Amino acid sequence: DVKVTQSSRYLVKRTGEKVFLECVQDMDHENMFWYRQDPGLGLRLIYFSYDVKMKEKGDIPEGYSVSREKKERFSLILESASTNQTSMYLCASSPTGTGGFATNEKLFFGSGTQLSVL
Amino acid sequence: KQEVTQIPAALSVPEGENLVLNCSFTDSAIYNLQWFRQDPGKGLTSLLLIQSSQREQTSGRLNASLDKSSGRSTLYIAASQPGDSATYLCAVTRDYGNNRLAFGKGNQVVVIP
Repeated sequence: DVKVTQSSRYLVKRTGEKVFLECVQDMDHENMFWYRQDPGLGLRLIYFSYDVKMKEKGDIPEGYSVSREKKERFSLILESASTNQTSMYLCASSPTGTGGFATNEKLFFGSGTQLSVL
Repeated sequence: KQEVTQIPAALSVPEGENLVLNCSFTDSAIYNLQWFRQDPGKGLTSLLLIQSSQREQTSGRLNASLDKSSGRSTLYIAASQPGDSATYLCAVTRDYGNNRLAFGKGNQVVVIP
């Protein structure tokens, strides 16, 4: 079974801190995603990576950056954490399917990181 | 812009009843549709993926149908069990050839023993 591991289950940080959320997948997937999930707003895509060192902005990239130096690892960085970034953060991965698109294949999610910024 | 709607937001059913969950989307130009399950405070688990050329997919007690022309999908869970209590989300490709998914907000299901 595909395993997507997020390094922390719960995190509490202070406003202004630089925060790193780590995600590792063990199935050699090309594509990795970072979402945040908020009550009433659903899942929103922050960033997407389709290859090592490649990234693409999602719907809400402001205040975030990402790093993908190795195929199995995709990091989300909050440059200066703010209270409105308190949320559940979900990492996902998928292989590249027919036609070269990630969304032709199932997405596999990690267990999530509940981040609280105080 | 693709909009995905799941109504109702929450429902309860007695154990043993069949569950029917609906998902509607505004743009029929999709590559595929996925149904996910999410337990409280956890990540999502993909249940079924239906390619745009398919009409349905089945896995055990789960059956998902897709009617692209009407912009609808139905997830059917036979003989519901308390362990089926969870939130069920559907997601479609945002538009043709796009790598982004549009998610519904989910149906929160409680199966009463």
